[in-house]
Amino acid sequence: EDQVTQSPEALRLQEGESSSLNCSYTVSGLRGLFWYRQDPGKGPEFLFTLYSAGEEKEKERLKATLTKKESFLHITAPKPEDSATYLCALGGYQKVTFGTGTKLQVIP
Amino acid sequence: KAGVTQTPRYLIKTRGQQVTLSCSPISGHRSVSWYQQTPGQGLQFLFEYFSETQRNKGNFPGRFSGRQFSNSRSEMNVSTLELGDSALYLCASSSGGTGGAYTQYFGPGTRLTVL
Repeated sequence: EDQVTQSPEALRLQEGESSSLNCSYTVSGLRGLFWYRQDPGKGPEFLFTLYSAGEEKEKERLKATLTKKESFLHITAPKPEDSATYLCALGGYQKVTFGTGTKLQVIP
Repeated sequence: KAGVTQTPRYLIKTRGQQVTLSCSPISGHRSVSWYQQTPGQGLQFLFEYFSETQRNKGNFPGRFSGRQFSNSRSEMNVSTLELGDSALYLCASSSGGTGGAYTQYFGPGTRLTVL
């Protein structure tokens, strides 16, 4: 069975303090690894799709990387507006499985 | 391009009633998936439709059902509502078929409260 685990569950950073969120996974056949951002009471907002180990994608202060067992979302010099829950999702042969998310709080 | 839309945005029902939620995907997208999100369980997959056919189903009781129309719009229905059905119901659309290779784009969700 496809499994995805995100860590930490919650992360509190000072503005400008860079860090990384982790997404560990097991899958019989990876078809895609997705990152989303979700604000309270809203639908997840798409950030990145990664398809193969070694792939990297960047958008503003965010950079997503992928290995055969993990994906990382690196946040460089975060700002308070980056505060949100970040979801990792694993695309297998049949369906997409979501992790429970990392709740990020960036303090001014 | 307009995003995924869901109606209604908020709904309050009582136990035993039934409810129908609607989702309009991004234009050109043929796949629609439904998820239930609760604070304790996170995002749980309900089912996926592609070209009017249910291609995949999650581990939910038969009270949860759905359908997709020829214009790709989708509805989900929950019968005999229980208190535990209170959740944010999210619809997501993608351009591809079943499986996890295609990026899903989410709507704003329908907040269902069961009293």
